[in-house]
Amino acid sequence: GENVEQHPSTLSVQEGDSAVIKCTYSDSASNYFPWYKQELGKRPQLIIDIRSNVGEKKDQRIAVTLNKTAKHFSLHITETQPEDSAVYFCAASMYGGSQGNLIFGKGTKLSVKP
Amino acid sequence: EAGVAQSPRYKIIEKRQSVAFWCNPISGHATLYWYQQILGQGPKLLIQFQNNGVVDDSQLPKDRFSAERLKGVDSTLKIQPAKLEDSAVYLCASSLADRVETQYFGPGTRLLVL
Repeated sequence: GENVEQHPSTLSVQEGDSAVIKCTYSDSASNYFPWYKQELGKRPQLIIDIRSNVGEKKDQRIAVTLNKTAKHFSLHITETQPEDSAVYFCAASMYGGSQGNLIFGKGTKLSVKP
Repeated sequence: EAGVAQSPRYKIIEKRQSVAFWCNPISGHATLYWYQQILGQGPKLLIQFQNNGVVDDSQLPKDRFSAERLKGVDSTLKIQPAKLEDSAVYLCASSLADRVETQYFGPGTRLLVL
């Protein structure tokens, strides 16, 4: 089955710096890669996603890149702010079918220091 | 629109007791999921429903866990009897039937088994 590895497990940056979180997946059939942000004690919230027919997607200060050949994808946050502090999870799945099993990485705790 | 609702938010029980969690998905979402999130890890799918039918329950420990969605809307997840290792956050998520990869999570029920 699918396996998703996520690095680093913790990341500390200064406000205004960029943050990069990387994930690798094992199943080449996976074609949908969402990123979720989870603040302490709150629900995971979808912040951006990418499908395998696209190499990069941007939404304001966040972007996701995908390398299908290498089977890895990354989340980039620019101009980080203290409110970006949270645990970020990557996941892999397949769209177009009936099964929606999201396979999650173990998460990255991002701390943005003012 | 209203999000996914879950109750209770917190539950403390002793091992070998039983517990039940309730979920109300986003209106119009035919697909409902239960995930288990152990501290420090990403969510892991337990069961997926499409309307009132089970799509995937391959990772549900069926000797102690059960779930139902009798009328295709609300769902209940039960653990009986609970073990110490069941301590986790139980997240409910929902999606449209034709967009199963785009899932919206509820706030979760935090379970502590003593």
